[in-house]
Amino acid sequence: DTAVSQTPKYLVTQMGNDKSIKCEQNLGHDTMYWYKQDSKKFLKIMFSYNNKELIINETVPNRFSPKSPDKAHLNLHINSLELGDSAVYFCASSQLGRGLTEAFFGQGTRLTVV
Amino acid sequence: EDKVVQSPLSLVVHEGDTVTLNCSYEVTNFRSLLWYKQEKKAPTFLFMLTSSGIEKKSGRLSSILDKKELFSILNITATQTGDSAIYLCAVQGAQKLVFGQGTRLTINP
Repeated sequence: DTAVSQTPKYLVTQMGNDKSIKCEQNLGHDTMYWYKQDSKKFLKIMFSYNNKELIINETVPNRFSPKSPDKAHLNLHINSLELGDSAVYFCASSQLGRGLTEAFFGQGTRLTVV
Repeated sequence: EDKVVQSPLSLVVHEGDTVTLNCSYEVTNFRSLLWYKQEKKAPTFLFMLTSSGIEKKSGRLSSILDKKELFSILNITATQTGDSAIYLCAVQGAQKLVFGQGTRLTINP
């Protein structure tokens, strides 16, 4: 059973397009995250949701819009894709409330904008 | 602003050597410090540390946290080529998990 799954694994698209990445966790965690990992492998937090509520929105362009329909899902929609958006995007989840846990990661989505 | 700094950024050693990776942090409302290993895909969890001075051990890897001086170290003894990876330190605050920039460890045979 996959704990955190994100789709698709690979995404190649042209500049200007709109795309979505989906993430689901079956661990019952209260917090989900989106991270962007650049070519230097630095994992930079983009968004954090706790119990479906946005609690962290780092300095991310508003072309990026997260949506959490329920605690188990956190999707990322990106409008008007730019070359600089090319990166690996990781979804993660953890329990920050009672029963603190480590973060579990999805397998990543490699986005290439051409 | 929450910050996690790892050193060194890059380390190349020979198989059999012992290495120590460092992580210092400044975080509001500290909850835990986490170490991850990343090879080709997603980071895989190694340790979670919440208390000072208690060593966590898993095979040749061990880690300890100092909450007074705000740092942690990850030790790997008798290194093997399979230990080559990026090692990530992350600190869990009240609402977010902040990562350091990682240490790229290369073990040469």
